Amino acid sequence: GDSVTQMEGPVTLSEEAFLTINCTYTATGYPSLFWYVQYPGEGLQLLLKATKADDKGSNKGFEATYRKETTSFHLEKGSVQVSDSAVYFCALTLSNDYKLSFGAGTTVTVRA
Amino acid sequence: EAGVAQSPRYKIIEKRQSVAFWCNPISGHATLYWYQQILGQGPKLLIQFQNNGVVDDSQLPKDRFSAERLKGVDSTLKIQPAKLEDSAVYLCASSPGQSSYNEQFFGPGTRLTVL
Repeated sequence: GDSVTQMEGPVTLSEEAFLTINCTYTATGYPSLFWYVQYPGEGLQLLLKATKADDKGSNKGFEATYRKETTSFHLEKGSVQVSDSAVYFCALTLSNDYKLSFGAGTTVTVRA
Repeated sequence: EAGVAQSPRYKIIEKRQSVAFWCNPISGHATLYWYQQILGQGPKLLIQFQNNGVVDDSQLPKDRFSAERLKGVDSTLKIQPAKLEDSAVYLCASSPGQSSYNEQFFGPGTRLTVL
């Protein structure tokens, strides 16, 4: 079935460090790919998305590129801040479907 | 614009008791979702409504879980009787339509602990 596998955490970084969270997917069709973020005490929020191969989603300094050849959608940020501490979820939906299939989440802690 | 509202935020019950959660989606959003998020896992879809009709409840344990969305706005999710393994965060989300391109907006969730 359709699924998402993302890098296990927790990840602890210092401010201004480079962040990468790996995400790979398995899908029978052509999925849309998403990164959601959950800040402490808040609900899930869409961070960025890409709907077709080679698309790059970006928001708040985060980027992810839809790589069909490697079935990946890795999240990157060049210089993290303490305020980026959160749980990050990779997810997909299929073009003929609406259900979000989530990865297990990666907890990121950024230290000052 | 007000976000998705859920209540209560926290609930502690004993096994075999019943519990209900409430969700008020963003105004005008036709599609409503309930997800279950067990600690350490990503959210899993339980049920989806389009207006007041059920689109998908294939992952809903129907022997103990039920959900309704009367009048196509608010929704309630009920568990009766609860089991220990139902301890989780229950998330409600809404979106304008049913397309996979529609962003889903999530509420803060209800954290359920079953003792």
